[in-house]
Amino acid sequence: DTGVSQDPRHKITKRGQNVTFRCDPISEHNRLYWYRQTLGQGPEFLTYFQNEAQLEKSRLLSDRFSAERPKGSFSTLEIQRTEQGDSAMYLCASSTGGSGGVGEQFFGPGTRLTVL
Amino acid sequence: LAKTTQPISMDSYEGQEVNITCSHNNIATNDYITWYQQFPSQGPRFIIQGYKTKVTNEVASLFIPADRKSSTLSLPRVSLSDTAVYYCLVGDNTGFQKLVFGTGTRLLVSP
Repeated sequence: DTGVSQDPRHKITKRGQNVTFRCDPISEHNRLYWYRQTLGQGPEFLTYFQNEAQLEKSRLLSDRFSAERPKGSFSTLEIQRTEQGDSAMYLCASSTGGSGGVGEQFFGPGTRLTVL
Repeated sequence: LAKTTQPISMDSYEGQEVNITCSHNNIATNDYITWYQQFPSQGPRFIIQGYKTKVTNEVASLFIPADRKSSTLSLPRVSLSDTAVYYCLVGDNTGFQKLVFGTGTRLLVSP
């Protein structure tokens, strides 16, 4: 257990439905990241928050995806009008951001989304 | 974009030292090299990070030559529990859009 929690752990939905995932980072971490991972591939960066500010969004992130981090605490990732291609593991990570490099990000267990 | 190249897979036996090399020919001056480990159905876990020369912690060593165009993760005396996928990342603490995990190196440790 890294201290980062995600809810739900599994989500099955029908195409066209909206889904929302929650991430609770380690409390003292000011940076929060969302990634998506498909089978056999490494995690793919989606978006990054420093406190409540969303500082980066992947160019791959369509306008159906939106993320928030109100008050710099927990974060939510919403996918509207889900498509079968959205089926993946959605990972959340948090860090202090003090490192010069990518640094030590603490990952949650992920939410596995299946779109039927 | 600092692209990395790693072997797709490696095999080893318990007790052996494993060295995984990563190529990153277009590494930028501000970039660090970071390695993560991932077990099935879990999020990645940080192993080690370095900028140049050698870095060692309680689980691994990271060797970076002077030109920084490659790096080698060294795992001493691996055990069965080291069977995992290992990712080499190159980047700084900004510009995460350029962060690429790739497919990693799948290490299989046998008895």
